[in-house]
Amino acid sequence: AQKVTQAQTEISVVEKEDVTLDCVYETRDTTYYLFWYKQPPSGELVFLIRRNSFDEQNEISGRYSWNFQKSTSSFNFTITASQVVDSAVYFCALFSGTYKYIFGTGTRLKVLA
Amino acid sequence: DVKVTQSSRYLVKRTGEKVFLECVQDMDHENMFWYRQDPGLGLRLIYFSYDVKMKEKGDIPEGYSVSREKKERFSLILESASTNQTSMYLCASSFLQGIGDTQYFGPGTRLTVL
Repeated sequence: AQKVTQAQTEISVVEKEDVTLDCVYETRDTTYYLFWYKQPPSGELVFLIRRNSFDEQNEISGRYSWNFQKSTSSFNFTITASQVVDSAVYFCALFSGTYKYIFGTGTRLKVLA
Repeated sequence: DVKVTQSSRYLVKRTGEKVFLECVQDMDHENMFWYRQDPGLGLRLIYFSYDVKMKEKGDIPEGYSVSREKKERFSLILESASTNQTSMYLCASSFLQGIGDTQYFGPGTRLTVL
């Protein structure tokens, strides 16, 4: 079965703190893709990153970084020096095998000024 | 930039009404999707389409139907709206089938059924 687990329902941090959002996935396929999306209060899901299963290199984009570890089936997302504008719901998603994108239940991040 | 638009941001309907939610994408994407988002449940796939006039059921198709007469437009239809269909509806599109191409989402329609 394919599954994405985001165990953290809600996280609150104070501005400038670092925060890591966890994502654990399950799949039996050897080829798959992982995604992170941000959903600000406006509602639209904004694409952040796509990673395929053969590329385990960590990625950094400004204050955002992603740690992909196949050994633990995790694809965690870290925001460094968080800002109020980072407040949103973040979704991790898996595409594996067929047409389906499997989404986690999301983590609501609140960054307090 | 990919642009996915949805016909309404907010919609209020009465039980039993027929409801149409429209989605349009402007990037010639092959695939289009309808999800509903509910608190604690994440996004659940209702239907998707990989070509004009083609449709496939997702995880929760009951009570819904879809129409894709043109490549850029994908409609979700609630034949007889019920209160348990009150939800946020999100449309998405992606270019290629089968390789986990990135999905791009519209702004969502928050539907309330009274």
